[in-house]
Amino acid sequence: DGGITQSPKYLFRKEGQNVTLSCEQNLNHDAMYWYRQDPGQGLRLIYYSQIVNDFQKGDIAEGYSVSREKKESFPLTVTSAQKNPTAFYLCASSIGLGGVLTLPQHFGDGTRLSIL
Amino acid sequence: DAKTTQPNSMESNEEEPVHLPCNHSTISGTDYIHWYRQLPSQGPEYVIHGLTSNVNNRMASLAIAEDRKSSTLILHRATLRDAAVYYCILRDVESEGGSNYKLTFGKGTLLTVNP
Repeated sequence: DGGITQSPKYLFRKEGQNVTLSCEQNLNHDAMYWYRQDPGQGLRLIYYSQIVNDFQKGDIAEGYSVSREKKESFPLTVTSAQKNPTAFYLCASSIGLGGVLTLPQHFGDGTRLSIL
Repeated sequence: DAKTTQPNSMESNEEEPVHLPCNHSTISGTDYIHWYRQLPSQGPEYVIHGLTSNVNNRMASLAIAEDRKSSTLILHRATLRDAAVYYCILRDVESEGGSNYKLTFGKGTLLTVNP
C-alpha cells in the first residue's frame, strides 16, 4: 500500500543537539509538507516543497531546516536554534501544489520529539 | 481560509449513527469543505470532501446545506475505532502561493464512542 513513513516514532534530543526526522513517501506525490502540532492545538506549517531541490518556508520555519534531494524524501532537521522543539511533527504529501492538487493531503503517523 | 465552528466534543454509542456538525457562515463560492480525523498519537486522516452536493464514500457521508453555510459529517454506524478528533476545514482551491498551501486545523470535535 502507498503511504508516508515517518521515523522514528519517538525521538529525544539533548540541549544544543541537532536531530533529523525522516519522511519517505511512495505515493509519487510532488508536494510534501512538514507540520508541527502542540498538545490540544491545530497544525502549524514549518516548510513545504513543490518539487525536488525546491522548498519554501512556512509560518514557523525558524530553527528548522529541510532538504529535498529525492522526490520520495523530505527530511526535517530540528536545529539547536529551535528553543522549544518539544512537539508532535507531522509530514504530509499531496499530488501537487495549487488548486485541487493541494488536497487531499496524506499524513504520516508522526514523530514525537522530546527534550532530555 | 474561511473560519469553521465545531462543537468541542460529542458522544455516541457503538453501532449508532453519528452526525458531526460544522458551521461555516463565511464560506465563499470556491471553498471546498474537507473533513479529516485524527486518532490518538497518529497523523490526520482524510475522510471526505465536497463543494455543493452531498457526497458518500466508504468511510462516511457529507451533507451540505443548500446555502452552504453548514455541513454535517455522518458516520452511519459508529465503531470504537471511530473515536477521534474530527476536523472540518474549508479550502479555497483557487488560492495560490505562499502559505496558502497549508491546512488550517482548528481544535475539531472530540468524538467518544461508548461500547
